[in-house]
Amino acid sequence: GQQLNQSPQSMFIQEGEDVSMNCTSSSIFNTWLWYKQDPGEGPVLLIALYKAGELTSNGRLTAQFGITRKDSFLNISASIPSDVGIYFCAGQSNTNAGKSTFGDGTTLTVKP
Amino acid sequence: DTEVTQTPKHLVMGMTNKKSLKCEQHMGHRAMYWYKQKAKKPPELMFVYSYEKLSINESVPSRFSPECPNSSLLNLHLHALQPEDSALYLCASSQAAGGIETQYFGPGTRLLVL
Repeated sequence: GQQLNQSPQSMFIQEGEDVSMNCTSSSIFNTWLWYKQDPGEGPVLLIALYKAGELTSNGRLTAQFGITRKDSFLNISASIPSDVGIYFCAGQSNTNAGKSTFGDGTTLTVKP
Repeated sequence: DTEVTQTPKHLVMGMTNKKSLKCEQHMGHRAMYWYKQKAKKPPELMFVYSYEKLSINESVPSRFSPECPNSSLLNLHLHALQPEDSALYLCASSQAAGGIETQYFGPGTRLLVL
């Protein structure tokens, strides 16, 4: 089946620093989604990308849909303590309708 | 309203109990999903309902029984669970399940099986 490699697995950064994480796949996706999950809560959608090359921002977050359709990155600028959590990428393809393939997550820790 | 709600938030049950998890959305979405999530792992798809019909069952054991009474509600009936079934159970919904659809998740039910 389709698999996503998400990296890094974890990050420990200082408040104010920028963060970058990415997901790569051996197969093509038609949609990339980025979620953030706080402990004990469900994933919250941050950014959805629908077109190869698309660059989308949501406040301090920026995500891009790779040109090859096999990768995506998420950047967080000027991190703050409430950015702490697990960030998941998810990909969807037209050939696997109804199913999202999730990366293993990036755990972000921000030190004040 | 972009909210998916789930009840209960926490549930402790014995291996002989029968319990149900409930999920509700009022976004007019026609696809609803159940996921199971273990700690520090991504969500794993269990079931997909599209237009109130079960469209995907990811080979889930029969001790988990989904039900979609109407387009806004989704239940997961639990019976004779095992301790390894302890996890966060997430409900999600999307406009439809036939193509590329953004899924919105509920807060989850934290289940502990003793």
